[in-house]
Amino acid sequence: DAKTTQPNSMESNEEEPVHLPCNHSTISGTDYIHWYRQLPSQGPEYVIHGLTSNVNNRMASLAIAEDRKSSTLILHRATLRDAAVYYCILTDWGGSEKLVFGKGTKLTVNP
Amino acid sequence: DADVTQTPRNRITKTGKRIMLECSQTKGHDRMYWYRQDPGLGLRLIYYSFDVKDINKGEISDGYSVSRQAQAKFSLSLESAIPNQTALYFCATSDPQVAKNIQYFGAGTRLSVL
Repeated sequence: DAKTTQPNSMESNEEEPVHLPCNHSTISGTDYIHWYRQLPSQGPEYVIHGLTSNVNNRMASLAIAEDRKSSTLILHRATLRDAAVYYCILTDWGGSEKLVFGKGTKLTVNP
Repeated sequence: DADVTQTPRNRITKTGKRIMLECSQTKGHDRMYWYRQDPGLGLRLIYYSFDVKDINKGEISDGYSVSRQAQAKFSLSLESAIPNQTALYFCATSDPQVAKNIQYFGAGTRLSVL
């Protein structure tokens, strides 16, 4: 399974944008980039995914580098409820389609 | 009501006891998964099932077994619990025909083995 590298932790202030980086230099052509987050005392929840193009949904935006070796999850206006561990995961749709979780980035949002 | 329900939410048991964690879903998904999470770490896959007749081992299946009783139900058993199985356990479901196999997780079962 292709691996991802994320910072262990990041901090943001409430109502400011947050950019969460993820490096995946060994990504293959069939790998999708998924982001999940885990709020305290809850199970992970899906945030967004993409293949090559940038993606937007109601929760966040995903910016994917042209060479696909890195991506950035963008929370446009952080709220206290966005404090969570964010996981960047590569999934191979030609293979096992399993999620392999790393340690993720713990986001702290300051009021 | 939650789409993916795990029972019990918390369980304390003793070494050597057999216990079962249950998962049920109302999403109509064929695929179900069991993960465990240790403090400060990400989730690791224990077992997964792509339909009622399909069971597959994940990366840490030793000491665990599963049963897929129906499309909606997937149980995880610890035949003889040991302390290093103390962890948070999550069940998840997905549908590969919808939205690129996004997984939906239950709220988790916190298991302590004394």
